[in-house]
Amino acid sequence: ETGVTQSPTHLIKTRGQQVTLRCSSQSGHNTVSWYQQALGQGPQFIFQYYREEENGRGNFPPRFSGLQFPNYSSELNVNALELDDSALYLCASSLPPGPEGNEQFFGPGTRLTVL
Amino acid sequence: QQQVKQSPQSLIVQKGGIPIINCAYENTAFDYFPWYQQFPGKGPALLIAIRPDVSEKKEGRFTISFNKSAKQFSLHIMDSQPGDSATYFCAASWHTGKLIFGQGTTLQVKP
Repeated sequence: ETGVTQSPTHLIKTRGQQVTLRCSSQSGHNTVSWYQQALGQGPQFIFQYYREEENGRGNFPPRFSGLQFPNYSSELNVNALELDDSALYLCASSLPPGPEGNEQFFGPGTRLTVL
Repeated sequence: QQQVKQSPQSLIVQKGGIPIINCAYENTAFDYFPWYQQFPGKGPALLIAIRPDVSEKKEGRFTISFNKSAKQFSLHIMDSQPGDSATYFCAASWHTGKLIFGQGTTLQVKP
């Protein structure tokens, strides 16, 4: 069984640039959620994708967008990067939304630094 | 109302001690309460989780105690080891699957 993988591991961008982060879900999981974890904080929910559609969104501006592909992998795109976007971005995969879908398994994250 | 409050912020125990981390929530719609362990530079790893229909759950050295009326739950680590030194997060969610995390507790277990 393959766990959740994310790429790249680290990324450095400058303010105003755009970034794309990638996630491959654990085998058997068709739901992907993205979280932002600032240094010293708990992860904050960005959004969830199920059946290639956004299925719930946290308190993040529209410049945070995503995609899910037919193989259940997902991308997180952030436009017009701001300094405060510097964080660890985590992807979690799970079964479909519902009681069993509560159990989410996280990848290692992508460390984004915005200069 | 969607917050999960976690305490303490940091904790130091001796090897073999029983660290206890506490969390409180407001939203009674939450029906799933997991604990995650995170090492520096890694993603959170699911340790143990509980639903509100039980008051206690044990898995190995980890125990969750759940008090539905007080809207509180806690993690106990029995016979703690230096390898348990990490940051622990409680979380809560309901049918949407959106996890609401606490602020985290940094645990240090001294040899």
